[in-house]
Amino acid sequence: AQSVTQLDSQVPVFEEAPVELRCNYSSSVSVYLFWYVQYPNQGLQLLLKYLSGSTLVKGINGFEAEFNKSQTSFHLRKPSVHISDTAEYFCAVSDVQGAQKLVFGQGTRLTINP
Amino acid sequence: DTEVTQTPKHLVMGMTNKKSLKCEQHMGHRAMYWYKQKAKKPPELMFVYSYEKLSINESVPSRFSPECPNSSLLNLHLHALQPEDSALYLCASSPGPGITSTDTQYFGPGTRLTVL
Repeated sequence: AQSVTQLDSQVPVFEEAPVELRCNYSSSVSVYLFWYVQYPNQGLQLLLKYLSGSTLVKGINGFEAEFNKSQTSFHLRKPSVHISDTAEYFCAVSDVQGAQKLVFGQGTRLTINP
Repeated sequence: DTEVTQTPKHLVMGMTNKKSLKCEQHMGHRAMYWYKQKAKKPPELMFVYSYEKLSINESVPSRFSPECPNSSLLNLHLHALQPEDSALYLCASSPGPGITSTDTQYFGPGTRLTVL
């Protein structure tokens, strides 16, 4: 079974500053990794995903994430945030055999201050 | 187009009512999902349909009854719910097992359910 730990429940950042949201996972098998964003009163939107290949993955809205197998991490980064990035961010994992079962982390609330 | 639509956006129901949630996608996906999300929590998987057959039921109470009439449509029938069932109900779809090894899920906007 897989598990996901998002190390920060809340991250406050000033506008135009860089941000990193941390995600660690645990699994005994190979996995796919995802970051989803949830804006207030909305569903989840896929930001980016790691399937295989290059460990640096670029997504929408200027976000990127790096897969580190040795540290079992998949941290999300953005070099300069905007007020509109205020949202809940979920890291998720699925194993390559049972890809239909997504396991989510508890979420990180990103708040951008002017 | 990666759009999943859900109706209604909001639903208020009493504990004796019967209601249904509807989810639709026109991406040709062959897998569809229902999730329940409580406030400030991650989504929890309820059901998965693959090729219009129920493939995963995460031990959901029988007062929730899913239905997949065709590959584009997914319903969730609700009956005799409890106030603790109040939550955001999210639908998702994915290409389906065997179509692509990644089977990335795309989510709808959700239905906000309140049980009185």
